[in-house]
Amino acid sequence: NAGVTQTPKFQVLKTGQSMTLQCAQDMNHEYMSWYRQDPGMGLRLIHYSVGAGITDQGEVPNGYNVSRSTTEDFPLRLLSAAPSQTSVYFCASSYPGLAGIEQFFGPGTRLTVL
Amino acid sequence: AQSVTQPDIHITVSEGASLELRCNYSYGATPYLFWYVQSPGQGLQLLLKYFSGDTLVQGIKGFEAEFKRSQSSFNLRKPSVHWSDAAEYFCAVGYRESTFGDGTTLTVKP
Repeated sequence: NAGVTQTPKFQVLKTGQSMTLQCAQDMNHEYMSWYRQDPGMGLRLIHYSVGAGITDQGEVPNGYNVSRSTTEDFPLRLLSAAPSQTSVYFCASSYPGLAGIEQFFGPGTRLTVL
Repeated sequence: AQSVTQPDIHITVSEGASLELRCNYSYGATPYLFWYVQSPGQGLQLLLKYFSGDTLVQGIKGFEAEFKRSQSSFNLRKPSVHWSDAAEYFCAVGYRESTFGDGTTLTVKP
């Protein structure tokens, strides 16, 4: 299994540009989430999904859109990039099992908005 | 709303010394608690987790954590720190999605 994969690893955008951060998992997990991590801070939840076709907002959803058309994929769209969106973005997937629940994180996408 | 506080922004310990990183949480029900480690420029690695049962949880790399419901705490410990333990440590609470603390940076002195 590849686990959780994210593309691209690095991206530089100009203010006002749009782009999509890709996230895929091959573990058949129902739950997927997007977080951002700013310097000196922990991860903050942007959006999450409890299954295909179902998404909801997290703590910091403004400026971002998500959709979940398949179990495997959970792309994050930046509609009009702003310098405040410069951050490292992590995607995660999770599945509740007998041993509780655990999130599996992707390697992250480092985004710079100029 | 759930929240996590890591009171120590930065901790420095000598190699071979013991370590304790503090974590306090706020959660409405039985908490699902996690500790992660992150090396510079890397993703997050799960050290250990607590859902129920024994309040002393063993994790990877020689780490353990103790859940104390009366104190709303989930402190991370290691009896003898190695130079390779230098990293940032995050405590988190939640079920499917987590709320993270702001992290504690660990520096290890030779």
